[in-house]
Amino acid sequence: DVKVTQSSRYLVKRTGEKVFLECVQDMDHENMFWYRQDPGLGLRLIYFSYDVKMKEKGDIPEGYSVSREKKERFSLILESASTNQTSMYLCACRPTGPFFDSPLHFGNGTRLTVT
Amino acid sequence: QKEVEQNSGPLSVPEGAIASLNCTYSDRGSQSFFWYRQYSGKSPELIMFIYSNGDKEDGRFTAQLNKASQYVSLLIRDSQPSDSATYLCAVNKGDNFNKFYFGSGTKLNVKP
Repeated sequence: DVKVTQSSRYLVKRTGEKVFLECVQDMDHENMFWYRQDPGLGLRLIYFSYDVKMKEKGDIPEGYSVSREKKERFSLILESASTNQTSMYLCACRPTGPFFDSPLHFGNGTRLTVT
Repeated sequence: QKEVEQNSGPLSVPEGAIASLNCTYSDRGSQSFFWYRQYSGKSPELIMFIYSNGDKEDGRFTAQLNKASQYVSLLIRDSQPSDSATYLCAVNKGDNFNKFYFGSGTKLNVKP
């Protein structure tokens, strides 16, 4: 089974702080993703990475950046946290290739509260 | 128009009944379809996926795909209280294998 581990289940940060969310996967998958999930809005893609040091913006990248220095690790950075970034953050991965039957595998999620 | 639509529910069924969850999608060329289960406060976990028209069974779960009508459904037989969760439908159009469109989910309550 794919294992995707997010470093924190719950985080509470203050407005203006720089916040790091970490994600590690053990399946040697090339593609990694960061989503946020909010009631009524569903899952929205923030960024994804298809290789080390490679990244692409998703639907809502504003206020976020990412880092992928190693294949197994993908970090989401909130440069200056704001209250509207309070959300559930989900990391996911999937293997590369034109496999349309290959699903996303999610980590356990990080519930971030910005006060 | 949303790419993927689901009735938010809640859908309430008695224990032992069949729960039927539905999802419609807007792009006729969509290739693959995934059902995830999400317990409150937890992350989504994959139940099953389907990409060919017809039915696909896995234990108590059956996914049904009708590309002509652009809907996909999930049937849960012999529903258990532990099946109470939100069920997310996800669609991959096939033009970008890393792009998934999610519905907002249907909340299922199975009453003992």
